[in-house]
Amino acid sequence: RKEVEQDPGPFNVPEGATVAFNCTYSNSASQSFFWYRQDCRKEPKLLMSVYSSGNEDGRFTAQLNRASQYISLLIRDSKLSDSATYLCVVNMNTGFQKLVFGTGTRLLVSP
Amino acid sequence: GAVVSQHPSWVICKSGTSVKIECRSLDFQATTMFWYRQFPKQSLMLMATSNEGSKATYEQGVEKDKFLINHASLTLSTLTVTSAHPEDSSFYICSARTSGSIYEQYFGPGTRLTVT
Repeated sequence: RKEVEQDPGPFNVPEGATVAFNCTYSNSASQSFFWYRQDCRKEPKLLMSVYSSGNEDGRFTAQLNRASQYISLLIRDSKLSDSATYLCVVNMNTGFQKLVFGTGTRLLVSP
Repeated sequence: GAVVSQHPSWVICKSGTSVKIECRSLDFQATTMFWYRQFPKQSLMLMATSNEGSKATYEQGVEKDKFLINHASLTLSTLTVTSAHPEDSSFYICSARTSGSIYEQYFGPGTRLTVT
């Protein structure tokens, strides 16, 4: 089983749509969780951290379910500029605080 | 703030040659730097973790004699791909972390290596 699993997509949605991505992780001892965004041939950029109580940043909402070991990202009112690959990232809480990346979910927002 | 640069941004080399990639933290001191590799349509895979002034810790399956990492200062880490082969062609990305933040990593723009 992969340490971090995501549906690779692509998710094709029209502008203005709401879209949700899910991610599961295997290590129950994981301590921190993130969503990163990666554009084609670019480095990943931190979109938001994911907190146990859930958190929101503008049109983006992240949720964490520790019991089920899954993380979600909800994007409301999709924009063309949201087209990218969204990476679920888990801190495995080893001695070196190792980040493990999912393969990413590709989002394509069309006019 | 928290800018990480990489050089070169892309490189093409012949099989059997060595390539050095530099990773610099421009406006902060990076106590820890990480090197990742990403093949097309795959996730970033951690290759090694290096702390300034000490030997790098390599992930399982990564050959330390092939991928030489040096983290001699708090602002510079280098990755040297020795005797490169076409299967080493990939996107190499470094990230850096300060001692004050144990979770957040700042990523460099990546280096695209093509071995012919």
